[in-house]
Amino acid sequence: EAGVTQFPSHSVIEKGQTVTLRCDPISGHDNLYWYRRVMGKEIKFLLHFVKESKQDESGMPNNRFLAERTGGTYSTLKVQPAELEDSGVYFCASSRDRGEAFFGQGTRLTVV
Amino acid sequence: GQNIDQPTEMTATEGAIVQINCTYQTSGFNGLFWYQQHAGEAPTFLSYNVLDGLEEKGRFSSFLSRSKGYSYLLLKELQMKDSASYLCAVRDMGYSTLTFGKGTMLLVSP
Repeated sequence: EAGVTQFPSHSVIEKGQTVTLRCDPISGHDNLYWYRRVMGKEIKFLLHFVKESKQDESGMPNNRFLAERTGGTYSTLKVQPAELEDSGVYFCASSRDRGEAFFGQGTRLTVV
Repeated sequence: GQNIDQPTEMTATEGAIVQINCTYQTSGFNGLFWYQQHAGEAPTFLSYNVLDGLEEKGRFSSFLSRSKGYSYLLLKELQMKDSASYLCAVRDMGYSTLTFGKGTMLLVSP
């Protein structure tokens, strides 16, 4: 069974540009989560999808961040326009029902 | 909200036993998770406690006391490959989000 996969693994963009991160959850996992770790800080929750619906997006920092999960399969997280403070590692996780979450390797985003 | 504390770093010797503590203060609680994360890799699930007591899984055990807001992860017969960051995370009552501590970097030396 394939794990959670994220693309790209690294992204370096200039301030003001747009970046789109992609997450492919484990097949059959209805729950998909986005988390972010800013350097030196703890991993923080961004939002939670159940299938294609946003269950909880209380962790989204501001309206420059847009997450979608059309069709309830893969998800994208777009940052537009990117700011310096958006740099960090973005993790995606998925789970079946209420079980443990399985994480992807993350996308390291650097905004310069 | 949630507040989770764990030591920043710990060192131990190969073959030894190490205990990593985690304390939490939460407005709601529905389980505590331990994850292991090697540098540049995905956090991987180690254990889950929702009731008080000890859960044992091979060389790893995890303990929970809900009344004290306290958990620990016990690693026995340490191996060099156990050098990693260990993340304590609490799940809220909505079964939704995990709130993570900053992680404990464990260094196992020969």
